[in-house]
Amino acid sequence: DGGITQSPKYLFRKEGQNVTLSCEQNLNHDAMYWYRQDPGQGLRLIYYSQIVNDFQKGDIAEGYSVSREKKESFPLTVTSAQKNPTAFYLCASRSGVIGNQPQHFGDGTRLSIL
Amino acid sequence: SQKIEQNSEALNIQEGKTATLTCNYTNYSPAYLQWYRQDPGRGPVFLLLIRENEKEKRKERLKVTFDTTLKQSLFHITASQPADSATYLCALDPMDSSYKLIFGSGTRLLVRP
Repeated sequence: DGGITQSPKYLFRKEGQNVTLSCEQNLNHDAMYWYRQDPGQGLRLIYYSQIVNDFQKGDIAEGYSVSREKKESFPLTVTSAQKNPTAFYLCASRSGVIGNQPQHFGDGTRLSIL
Repeated sequence: SQKIEQNSEALNIQEGKTATLTCNYTNYSPAYLQWYRQDPGRGPVFLLLIRENEKEKRKERLKVTFDTTLKQSLFHITASQPADSATYLCALDPMDSSYKLIFGSGTRLLVRP
């Protein structure tokens, strides 16, 4: 079945540590996205990529980094510079540029601080 | 400033009633508006899309309206069931060729048996 796979489902970070969240899609979508969701809040865009080897900052990119070396993969690194990383992280993909295409989401990674 | 707003208070209704959720936006002119369902600990799932030239869109027990004059979309679930309990998010395309969607914060729906 086509879809988006995020791993791990739960992740714990120690102080000063970088951690990487995995996102893989087999939908052959060009665009991929990372969102952060905090309790009672909406989705906030961290980074997005419209094509391989290209990505743009979203609204809250500070303390995060991404890469897009393959169409199927868009990993997110939460760096030690992100002082409040505890949140639910969602990866999504989308096939087209115009607004009539829905986003397809993975089931998220919940990141906590040890 | 540009905003997309949904009622932050949970909507609590009796099974069998119609649930109506509201999405308001300001300073956008979207050609499309989308609705998603999110269950706890899961990613959002796409439900319906409505275009600016469509006043109403239906899918089974779901109905969405889109009023570009009021800058508002309404999402209705008729004959609601406890299984409809979830958070519902609206999203719009800012029409800036960025591939982005702008999401509201969602409204939690609780359907009592």
